Amino acid sequence: GNSVTQMEGPVTLSEEAFLTINCTYTATGYPSLFWYVQYPGEGLQLLLKATKADDKGSNKGFEATYRKETTSFHLEKGSVQVSDSAVYFCALSPISSGSARQLTFGSGTQLTVLP
Amino acid sequence: DARVTQTPRHKVTEMGQEVTMRCQPILGHNTVFWYRQTMMQGLELLAYFRNRAPLDDSGMPKDRFSAEMPDATLATLKIQPSEPRDSAVYFCASGLPTTGANQPQHFGDGTRLSIL
Repeated sequence: GNSVTQMEGPVTLSEEAFLTINCTYTATGYPSLFWYVQYPGEGLQLLLKATKADDKGSNKGFEATYRKETTSFHLEKGSVQVSDSAVYFCALSPISSGSARQLTFGSGTQLTVLP
Repeated sequence: DARVTQTPRHKVTEMGQEVTMRCQPILGHNTVFWYRQTMMQGLELLAYFRNRAPLDDSGMPKDRFSAEMPDATLATLKIQPSEPRDSAVYFCASGLPTTGANQPQHFGDGTRLSIL
């Protein structure tokens, strides 16, 4: 079956530090990969996505590259801000040509950025 | 921006009571998902619908939970009778019907349920 393994948290960084949150997956074929972010008291929001090997998703300074050879989709940001403090979820969706499909989520990584 | 709307945002009730949570998906979305989030289990998919028909509800305890879509603008999740272990945040998400690369799901802000 499909699974997503995320780096365990919590992660605490100082402002302007470099961020990496590791994510690896197990799936058949070429799933689509996503990073979602959850701010306190809110639902999950899509941060970025990649739908095929070597694609790079990017948004708000965050990036992640779909690596088929290592089955990974690590999230990176060069300089984090206090406002980036949230829980980050890696997720995959099985290959499809249709509409939104069932997601398999990682366990989430709590990030706290200190001023 | 269009949003998924969930009501109520918070619900506190006593064990044994019926609980109904509602979700208004984004207009035009044909796929609706219900998730439960707890500290211990993380995010669990309870059920999902496409074009109002249930496609998978294997994650849902059948004896007490039920999910329906009376129409395209309303999805409901009911618990009867409720138990303290049902305390969690319940999220609804909806998705686009377009073909091509997988479309992301759009989440509501959740219903925080506490069963005393």
